[in-house]
Amino acid sequence: EAGVAQSPRYKIIEKRQSVAFWCNPISGHATLYWYQQILGQGPKLLIQFQNNGVVDDSQLPKDRFSAERLKGVDSTLKIQPAKLEDSAVYLCASSRPFDSYEQYFGPGTRLTVT
Amino acid sequence: EDQVTQSPEALRLQEGESSSLNCSYTVSGLRGLFWYRQDPGKGPEFLFTLYSAGEEKEKERLKATLTKKESFLHITAPKPEDSATYLCAVQAQGAQKLVFGQGTRLTINP
Repeated sequence: EAGVAQSPRYKIIEKRQSVAFWCNPISGHATLYWYQQILGQGPKLLIQFQNNGVVDDSQLPKDRFSAERLKGVDSTLKIQPAKLEDSAVYLCASSRPFDSYEQYFGPGTRLTVT
Repeated sequence: EDQVTQSPEALRLQEGESSSLNCSYTVSGLRGLFWYRQDPGKGPEFLFTLYSAGEEKEKERLKATLTKKESFLHITAPKPEDSATYLCAVQAQGAQKLVFGQGTRLTINP
């Protein structure tokens, strides 16, 4: 079974620029999560999708971050404009329908904002 | 607000030297407590889920235990390949998101 795929793996941008990250979950996993992991900290949930719909986006900075999951499969997370404090690893995870206990993570995208 | 605190932040052991990692939590009704392993440059890898106080789970040299306030990850006779950051997370009743601790960075010296 293929794991969660993410791209790009690394991205360096200047502040005020925009950036987008892509995630392809494990086949059949209806629930998709985006986490932000700042160096030395644990992951923090940004947004959770169940199929196409948003379940939880309470910690998503909506003035600059947006996410979508078209057709209930792939997802894109966008930051516009980026700030220095957005430097982090952005992790995508997925879980089976009705079973959110075990979340499977992708390798992450390391973003550096200069 | 749900909170998870892990200790110590970092731990160095000699190969074969057993020890335990601690995860203290406060949650409004625990649905599950999770342990993950994270290697540098990789995403977290699922290890265990514990659901109720008194539960224990084992995998190779690792054993996770759960009480009403904390969880321990015991590592027995560790090897250098056990070096990683170990993350603890809780899931509250009625919620699906995981709330993570900051992790314990474990180094096993040969």
